Amino acid sequence: DTAVSQTPKYLVTQMGNDKSIKCEQNLGHDTMYWYKQDSKKFLKIMFSYNNKELIINETVPNRFSPKSPDKAHLNLHINSLELGDSAVYFCASSPWTGWGAYGYTFGSGTRLTVV
Amino acid sequence: AQTVTQSQPEMSVQEAETVTLSCTYDTSESDYYLFWYKQPPSRQMILVIRQEAYKQQNATENRFSVNFQKAAKSFSLKISDSQLGDAAMYFCAYRSGGAQKLVFGQGTRLTINP
Repeated sequence: DTAVSQTPKYLVTQMGNDKSIKCEQNLGHDTMYWYKQDSKKFLKIMFSYNNKELIINETVPNRFSPKSPDKAHLNLHINSLELGDSAVYFCASSPWTGWGAYGYTFGSGTRLTVV
Repeated sequence: AQTVTQSQPEMSVQEAETVTLSCTYDTSESDYYLFWYKQPPSRQMILVIRQEAYKQQNATENRFSVNFQKAAKSFSLKISDSQLGDAAMYFCAYRSGGAQKLVFGQGTRLTINP
């Protein structure tokens, strides 16, 4: 039973298209995240939601729009895709507590290729 | 802003030997948490070990242990009795106490030679 599941795992699309990535967690966590891993493997946070509320919004083009219908789901919609958006996108979740050595539980990632 | 630096882009070790991966971080805070994640070719991010900054004792998980030097802001990972399945990218990560964001280092690619 997958703890954090992302769909799709692979996504190949043309420039200018709009696409969505979905994420669901069954861990009962309150907080979910989107991270981007670039071609050099560097991981950088994009967004975070706590119980449907946006709490972290890093410097990300506004073509990227997250949406959390409930605390178990966090989706990422990308408009007008560009070549530079090609990357692996990871969803993750964690308990809502700053005071504890809680790491994240990650999904298996979505490899997005824009052609 | 906090930064995490992994100065070894690549490391290799013979099977059954011990290897140490380096990580340094920059912060002005006193409460924080440190993590090592493993990313094998499957792409899955797997939590290997974690350390609370307020604990002086170094964390250990089976063959994995850390050397946490708070004054030096250093957090290295030691893998003992290396196995072929340990081959992966390893990422060091930092989180402030009370914050949610994990900040990652650039990663170290570890190769295990049979």
